[in-house]
This record gives sequence, C-alpha cells and structure tokens, in this order.
Amino acid sequence: GIQVEQSPPDLILQEGANSTLRCNFSDSVNNLQWFHQNPWGQLINLFYIPSGTKQNGRLSATTVATERYSLLYISSSQTTDSGVYFCAVGNAGNMLTFGGGTRLMVKP
Amino acid sequence: DTGVSQDPRHKITKRGQNVTFRCDPISEHNRLYWYRQTLGQGPEFLTYFQNEAQLEKSRLLSNRFSAERPKGSFSTLEIQRTEQGDSAMYLCASSLSPGGSYNEQFFGPGTRLTVL
Repeated sequence: GIQVEQSPPDLILQEGANSTLRCNFSDSVNNLQWFHQNPWGQLINLFYIPSGTKQNGRLSATTVATERYSLLYISSSQTTDSGVYFCAVGNAGNMLTFGGGTRLMVKP
Repeated sequence: DTGVSQDPRHKITKRGQNVTFRCDPISEHNRLYWYRQTLGQGPEFLTYFQNEAQLEKSRLLSNRFSAERPKGSFSTLEIQRTEQGDSAMYLCASSLSPGGSYNEQFFGPGTRLTVL
C-alpha cells in the first residue's frame, strides 16, 4: 500500500512565527487532503489539494504530484493553530492513508 | 447543511460486551467510510460503502467487527466480544462518489471507545 511520511513529527513555535510541514508519499495519488485535528479529536478539513497550490488566509498548501510531496505553510502562527496536522492520500474516492502527523505547539 | 454526525460520542464497556456505533453522513454523500485511530497515531482505514454496498474491508477488520449501511444512508459499526485492544477513537467520514473534488472526505467527531 501507499506509504505516507510527515515531517517534522513535533514542532514548537513562538506565536507569530512561520512554519512549513512536509508530506511525502510513495505512489501516485489523485486525492490529497490536509487536516487539523483539534484537542477533542475532530478532523477539520484544511485543503483538498491533489496538485497545485491553494491559499486560505494564513494557511497555504502546495502539492507537487510528480515528485510525490506536499507542503503546508502556516504564517504568523497563533496559539489556536496548536494541534496535530495530518496529511492523507488516496485514489479515486477510495480509502485515505494517513501519515503519522505533525504535532504543533504554538507558545504565546 | 449539517456535517457528519456520530453517536455515541463516548462509550465505556467491559471486555466481552458488544457495542454498536452509528454514523449519519452528509445527506447527499453516497460514500461512507469507517476509520480507527489509536493514541498518537493517524487514523487507519477499516471499511467503506458506496450506497448500501460494502466495497472494501481492511485486514484490521477482524471477524468480530461488522458494518452495515442498509438503506444507503446511516451506517452502524458493531464490535462483538470487545477486547481491551479495541479501545480507540472510531471515525466516520463521507464523500460524494469519485469525481474531482467530490473525492474530498469529511469526518465526524468520532466515538471514543474505552474497553475496561
């Protein structure tokens, strides 16, 4: 099956700092999603981005499908950005395979 | 427009008991997925349905687990003879049948199961 690796596994930032989270995957995919999991366990959709670049406020994401990686950028981080960020990949509306996540803590 | 809902949100049971969870997908979505997440890990796929048909099952889904989606709307996941290793968060997701951005999956809040 597809392997998904996320880096770094843990990240501590000071409020206002910028960060880049990376997701590498082992095979071609036509579904790639980024999620933020809040402390209550809810997975919140950030981006559906099998290829290209998207931006939503302070967050943006880029997927280079031919090189099998995706990046999530967080600018001007806030304490509410804390939590776990997951990358998940899949094909044709089928199952998603998740990476191990990046645990982000933003300090005030 | 309501999102995916799951019931119950928390379940505590004793080893050996049976438990059943319910998932209501986004109303127009015809695909429904079940995942399991243990502490410190990413979610792992269990099974999915297109309408009422169960199309794929993971090897994680032992014969103690059964899922149904009888009318192509809500789904139930039953675990028989629960074991302590079944303790996890059970997540449900839904999407519209494959086609571009319709592949995007949306998740419910999960059911946290604790087996004593």
